[in-house]
Formats: sequence, structure tokens, C-alpha cells
Amino acid sequence: GAGVSQSPSNKVTEKGKDVELRCDPISGHTALYWYRQSLGQGLEFLIYFQGNSAPDKSGLPSDRFSAERTGGSVSTLTIQRTQQEDSAVYLCASSLREVSTDTQYFGPGTRLTVL
Amino acid sequence: AQSVTQLGSHVSVSEGALVLLRCNYSSSVPPYLFWYVQYPNQGLQLLLKYTSAATLVKGINGFEAEFKKSETSFHLTKPSAHMSDAAEYFCAVKAAGNKLTFGGGTRVLVKP
Repeated sequence: GAGVSQSPSNKVTEKGKDVELRCDPISGHTALYWYRQSLGQGLEFLIYFQGNSAPDKSGLPSDRFSAERTGGSVSTLTIQRTQQEDSAVYLCASSLREVSTDTQYFGPGTRLTVL
Repeated sequence: AQSVTQLGSHVSVSEGALVLLRCNYSSSVPPYLFWYVQYPNQGLQLLLKYTSAATLVKGINGFEAEFKKSETSFHLTKPSAHMSDAAEYFCAVKAAGNKLTFGGGTRVLVKP
């Protein structure tokens, strides 16, 4: 079946602009995660959603970052007033349930470049 | 708190030789451990995971890893490297909660 998809695959923006990154999880997966992969910080957790529960936002680096998940499916990560240090690959993952043993399946990522 | 340390950011092996990638973790609760592989310009693909059943875990593409609680380790091995194994490998831990904490990654180069 279809895996996790993300769009756009690449995004170049100017410092100070807002960007939206989209994630379509695997159909039927109830948990959705966002991670960031950058040269300086490696792979780091940003936020995750599980069903109707409040999201775990503990990894968001600043209040310029926000995310929502509509209808328990598609998620959008928004970065306001982008800075050069936001340049990274943003990875989305989904899992069938919010269970620690469940595998998280990753999308191909969105490469964000802030000029 | 939990953390993962991968020894060696780059490893070079000859085709046909043993691949050994080291991973040590720290966790205040019994962990679940994962190895992912990332090929260039792609997302992460699960190789194998330890979920407190057998301590020796077999994964895809001939990889396996052994959970050693006394050494807080989860090293990844493959008996015979193939050119297609050239990629970056990440060890990750889940302890409290469902977020993955990743190590810094090890890039594997396979020499013909």
C-alpha cells in the first residue's frame, strides 16, 4: 500500500517568510509524528498527534513552529517568520497505534532551505 | 531522560567483510530499541527493533542486533557487506512516551 507522503519535496524560501509543510500518513494510522534532521542537531523530535488527544508539542523549538492535524489524517507543520537555522529536512512518520512497540514509518521528507 | 550514542560517524568496510555498527543507550526505564537505515535523499526505513522479546533480533537485508542490558548496548551486525549497504544508519530508543530519540548516525561506505 501507499506509504507516508510529504509535500513539497523541496522548499526554498526567504528569511522572514512563513512556510507550510504537508504530511499524508498511511491510511488507518492513528499516530503521526514530525521530526527534523539537520547537520548541526541530527534527528530530533518535534511533535506528535494521537487520535483526539492533545498533541505532544514538547519538541517544538520555538513558538514560530506549530502543527495541526485535520480529521485525524493529514497534518500541516507551519513555520512562521523563517530563520536560516530552520533549514533542515523535515520528516513525518506515522504508526498504527500510539504503542511504544509500534513501528514508525517515515516519509521521504521535505528539504527546507531558508535564504 | 534517554539518549543514544553511536560510536563512529563514518565506517568503511570492504565488500564481503563484517559490518559492525555500535549503539549504546541510556534510559531510566526498560527501553525499546530500533535501527533505521537512510539511503540518499530518502526517508528512514526500519531495519529491526527490540521490544523485550528475544534479545537477538533479526531484521531485513541480513542485519541483526543483540540487546545487552548489562552493557546498555544494541550493536548492529551483518556478516558480509554488500555494495547496496552503503547508507546512513541510525539507532533510536523509545523509553517513556512514543517519541524516538536518535543517535547521531553512522555513515557506511562499502569498498569493492
